[in-house]
This record gives sequence, structure tokens and C-alpha cells, in this order.
Amino acid sequence: NAGVTQTPKFRVLKTGQSMTLLCAQDMNHEYMYWYRQDPGMGLRLIHYSVGEGTTAKGEVPDGYNVSRLKKQNFLLGLESAAPSQTSVYFCASSRAYNEQFFGPGTRLTVL
Amino acid sequence: GNSVTQMEGPVTLSEEAFLTINCTYTATGYPSLFWYVQYPGEGLQLLLKATKADDKGSNKGFEATYRKETTSFHLEKGSVQVSDSAVYFCALSDQGGAQKLVFGQGTRLTINP
Repeated sequence: NAGVTQTPKFRVLKTGQSMTLLCAQDMNHEYMYWYRQDPGMGLRLIHYSVGEGTTAKGEVPDGYNVSRLKKQNFLLGLESAAPSQTSVYFCASSRAYNEQFFGPGTRLTVL
Repeated sequence: GNSVTQMEGPVTLSEEAFLTINCTYTATGYPSLFWYVQYPGEGLQLLLKATKADDKGSNKGFEATYRKETTSFHLEKGSVQVSDSAVYFCALSDQGGAQKLVFGQGTRLTINP
């Protein structure tokens, strides 16, 4: 039982490049979330999903897209990376009304 | 909108000292309140939670009480250990099934032997 895993762990991009972050969970959770963590600001919700095939915007969705084609996977895409997207990205999953389980994070640097 | 404010760090204490990390919130309705902990190089883990006023969450010697009258959820521990060194986040969510968490900025705690 791996819990929540994230791929990759580290990535460096140039401005304008695109990439996809993958989150996978093996707990059969309905809900999945993407957060970004910036120094002095805690975590902020980017997008979330309440089930396969559904997505919704969180607090800071601009510049990101997501997809939930399979229940166990939640993808976060950056179509044209900007330095302001340099951050640590965390994925989480949960059952309804239950605690969220977090992945180990992806550290992204945009030059 | 909803927001969480917690005491700024870093906080440095000696082993066996008493710990308090203050957390206050602004929210509409009746949010659930959480403390998460992040150990170096890891993701966040739920430490404790409270879902209604006057509830006390507790885990691993840590406690926090949901105080609606003061909109607070302060984290306390009577005797800290070196292994408690981590970043602590206070958070709230609305009562929906998808608990969209709103986090405080985090407080880095270092315990010296």
C-alpha cells in the first residue's frame, strides 16, 4: 500500500515549457487535490476533483489545468511555465468528510 | 473569505518545555479545524482535528480545543521532544464532502536537546 505517490520528485523548467505532474493513489479515494506550497504562505489549493471525470477550481487555478481520467490518478498540467510557478506541489486524496492523505511533493523550479 | 492566521516562527525550545502555537481563524458557518505536521522532506500528516465548538482534538501528546467565541484553535503540548521538530500548519475546511483546506502560513518548530 503505497498511499499517495507523486512523479517526478524534482523538475527544472525553462519559462514557456510545459510539463505534467502525476499523482496516484491506491486507497480508492473519491476526492483528490492539488496544492502549492510557497515560503511563508502555507499551502494553497489549485484544483480538486470529487470523482473520476470531474474537476473544479480551487483558490489559485490560473496557469494550471487538471484531468482525472482514472479514479486513482490526478494530473496537473502547466501549459506555459512561468517563474511565478516555482513552488513545491503536493497532491492529496481523501474519502468524503475524511482526512486528506498527502504525497511527498514535487519541487518545481522555473527559470 | 475563509482565512487562518498562526503565530510566526521559527520557534525554538528546549526538550521537555511546554509548547503553544497560536492559531486563529475567520470563517463563515461552522468550519472543521485541523493541525497538520510536516517533517523534513515529507508531505503533510494530519496531527489532530476538531469538527465542532468545544471539541478537543488530541494525538501524540498534542492537544487543541475548538474555541468558537475566540475563533481560535491553539496547539499545545506539555513536554516536547527533539522528534517533534517539524513545521506545523493550522487549517480549516468547510463542512462539505470535499474538504477544501485553507492553511495558515506554518510555524517551524525546533527542539534542542
